[in-house]
Amino acid sequence: DAKTTQPTSMDCAEGRAANLPCNHSTISGNEYVYWYRQIHSQGPQYIIHGLKNNETNEMASLIITEDRKSSTLILPHATLRDTAVYYCIVTPNFGNEKLTFGTGTRLTIIP
Amino acid sequence: GAVVSQHPSWVICKSGTSVKIECRSLDFQATTMFWYRQFPKQSLMLMATSNEGSKATYEQGVEKDKFLINHASLTLSTLTVTSAHPEDSSFYICSARVGTGLGSEQYFGPGTRLTVT
Repeated sequence: DAKTTQPTSMDCAEGRAANLPCNHSTISGNEYVYWYRQIHSQGPQYIIHGLKNNETNEMASLIITEDRKSSTLILPHATLRDTAVYYCIVTPNFGNEKLTFGTGTRLTIIP
Repeated sequence: GAVVSQHPSWVICKSGTSVKIECRSLDFQATTMFWYRQFPKQSLMLMATSNEGSKATYEQGVEKDKFLINHASLTLSTLTVTSAHPEDSSFYICSARVGTGLGSEQYFGPGTRLTVT
């Protein structure tokens, strides 16, 4: 699986958009970009995933650059409950592929 | 969305005893489930991949005779930590895959905190 690089930590003011970057310069053509988050002492929560087009759901938007070497997760109106560790993972998606978690970005929402 | 449950949510056991952790997919069938372990202030580490009706595939360095995995049905996988020792104390998390094709998603349980005394 391609390696990802994320900032160790970020702060964001409550009510503002939180933009979390991820670099995946060695991503291959069949690998998807997945985002999960983990709130303290809980299991990871699926947020969103995409291949090459931008994606949006009720939780977030995922912007993938045209060369697919980086992506940004956007939480449009951050709340205190969005404080968590956010993981960007790239993996092929042919069925039973495992997810390899890196160290992620610790996002803190500031009141 | 898909819901995965784990039982128990926390357990304390004495060194040398065995502990079983259950992982259930509540509203979908999961042919594949995964077991992870997370030590304090560290990321999740995959232990094994569990396929319904077949033997689990263990990651390098994970002892299959110590961490017994059974995936007897499409909604239940169990992890048994045998002869537990204090170093096995950790947060154990399972996940289940929804779908098998492109774009399928993986949903996680709430985790089980194991403390071995």
